[in-house]
Amino acid sequence: DTEVTQTPKHLVMGMTNKKSLKCEQHMGHRAMYWYKQKAKKPPELMFVYSYEKLSINESVPSRFSPECPNSSLLNLHLHALQPEDSALYLCASSQQGASNEKLFFGSGTQLSVL
Amino acid sequence: ILNVEQSPQSLHVQEGDSTNFTCSFPSSNFYALHWYRWETAKSPEALFVMTLNGDEKKKGRISATLNTKEGYSYLYIKGSQPEDSATYLCAPPGAGSYQLTFGKGTKLSVIP
Repeated sequence: DTEVTQTPKHLVMGMTNKKSLKCEQHMGHRAMYWYKQKAKKPPELMFVYSYEKLSINESVPSRFSPECPNSSLLNLHLHALQPEDSALYLCASSQQGASNEKLFFGSGTQLSVL
Repeated sequence: ILNVEQSPQSLHVQEGDSTNFTCSFPSSNFYALHWYRWETAKSPEALFVMTLNGDEKKKGRISATLNTKEGYSYLYIKGSQPEDSATYLCAPPGAGSYQLTFGKGTKLSVIP
């Protein structure tokens, strides 16, 4: 199984809502990532978890809260988002997080904030 | 944040044509260079990870070369097919870390 599964595929939420994005992989990878991609721009790194510990937070606003309950799961909790947070959110994983390891991506959650 | 440039931004070729595009990146503190293919409505898919100057990798009709001293990589597609239509992204990892800085990509359209 070389898949990274993200749910939901699409999400529409209001600015007062609380929602969560989920990501799952069963490849035994110990590094997991959240990327944000706005239209016509490259993916931008948000968070990196290494061995279930948050190792990189790229100055992301606190309305985004990541969680890694175990080595297979990665969540992104969303609260009080702004319309400019509308984007494609991609999850990825790699074996241990070394720079020469391929990333395996999910197909993303398309988020619209109204 | 690394400065990563890809050219051209977009490319239209006829089926059967061969094509190539470029990724430029800072040559100092080089760790690795990743290439990904991203088809519409699908997940980005890793093509190559290249680490050595002069490295050349091949996967079917797609190949890539790497020049770390001058800071560029070329991706070649031989005999383009409609299924090659995608955005091709390159990404060098940041200095001393595993975070990738993606270029804006080259969008390839292969016309049947």
